[in-house]
Amino acid sequence: DSGVTQTPKHLITATGQRVTLRCSPRSGDLSVYWYQQSLDQGLQFLIQYYNGEERAKGNILERFSAQQFPDLHSELNLSSLELGDSALYFCASSAGQGGAGELFFGEGSRLTVL
Amino acid sequence: AQSVTQPDIHITVSEGASLELRCNYSYGATPYLFWYVQSPGQGLQLLLKYFSGDTLVQGIKGFEAEFKRSQSSFNLRKPSVHWSDAAEYFCAVGLQTGANNLFFGTGTRLTVIP
Repeated sequence: DSGVTQTPKHLITATGQRVTLRCSPRSGDLSVYWYQQSLDQGLQFLIQYYNGEERAKGNILERFSAQQFPDLHSELNLSSLELGDSALYFCASSAGQGGAGELFFGEGSRLTVL
Repeated sequence: AQSVTQPDIHITVSEGASLELRCNYSYGATPYLFWYVQSPGQGLQLLLKYFSGDTLVQGIKGFEAEFKRSQSSFNLRKPSVHWSDAAEYFCAVGLQTGANNLFFGTGTRLTVIP
């Protein structure tokens, strides 16, 4: 158990819909990262937050947004969903904001868009 | 731009045999290097990491990896594979400056046959 909690574990929805994925980082970790894992793209970094502020941005679509709340949990919002958004979405956390501290991953949220 | 290449998509080894998983990276300086393992339905777990110093690093579960600067490689090895090692293995690169997000290779799926 990494200490990172993601909900829901599975989600099935239709194209055009909007979903919210939630992540609770390990106790004490200030950074949260979101990754998308799909068969054709592999594991892609989406975005990082550190103590409530956006720290780094990767291949995140404009239809996607994220935020980190004062209690440090994070949400990833996916809107106008397309079939290609079907993937496993991972959240990870780390203590710091930079350098190369270890990332601890949750078990992921599997999104299926029909 | 940084990139990580894992040339082997799928490797099959017999239980008890030795294992080497290849990883090459492209980056202007020496990055931080990681190997993660993902078991079915699980998140990613850190096996080992290289920041600096001794180029041969030991990890959990009997794994080791060697950083070779001249070859831009960070191959993962295990002298004797166990059936429980069957999983997907990801090599990742972290930058020494800036944000802490990791860039992952496409992964190598390991099958262990009795």
